[in-house]
Amino acid sequence: QISLKESGPTLVKPTQTLTLTCSFSGFSLSSSGLGVGWFRQPPGKALEWLALVYWNDNKRYSPSLKSRLSITKDTSKNQVVLIMTNMDPLDTATYYCAHSSGSPVWFDPWGQGILVTVSS
Amino acid sequence: SYVLTQPPSMSVAPGKTARMTCGGNNIGSKTVHWYQQRPGQAPVLVIYYDNDRPSGIPERFSGSNSGDTATLTISRVEAGDEADYYCQVWDRTSDHRDVVFGGGTKLTVL
Repeated sequence: QISLKESGPTLVKPTQTLTLTCSFSGFSLSSSGLGVGWFRQPPGKALEWLALVYWNDNKRYSPSLKSRLSITKDTSKNQVVLIMTNMDPLDTATYYCAHSSGSPVWFDPWGQGILVTVSS
Repeated sequence: SYVLTQPPSMSVAPGKTARMTCGGNNIGSKTVHWYQQRPGQAPVLVIYYDNDRPSGIPERFSGSNSGDTATLTISRVEAGDEADYYCQVWDRTSDHRDVVFGGGTKLTVL
């Protein structure tokens, strides 16, 4: 059974860098075709895709946020880390990670999410 | 970038059929996935590859995709179907490969 869980700070100050970790079990990111994606959802708003890393270390980023994002995987630890720089109050959102498979990719299951608030 | 358009809301009575649309330029040439997000919960995949259901998703959920519109259909709607529903595609061109979500439709069960 696949499961994922997000961890990291729940409060960051403007201009700071956010580091979130997705810890997962039930699959290996060394398996062909698999990946992990990151998403966010501001309160009361729609889902937004942020980044995706594949088993072969190919990476994709949202064009609108690409300059602020970095995604890395640690296959031995079953973790994927998302870094977002220069945080702003508008980045306040619940951040989710999810297992990806298929071609074109879909995302299932998702982690429970972590609410990150950006405030001084 | 590719844009997916969903009506913000719709309502349906229990036992009736809900049809939610997802519009995009020639979306029929793409593969559409659908997610259900109940209040306060993480999204759940309900349809992938236009019309396939993951294990555990009731047969009441189905999808179609043609032309400029993809549709998620929920038959015999139940109170537990009240949720936000998002469509998603993979937008691939010569210079980018992006995940795109629609803005979501809030389904209210009357």
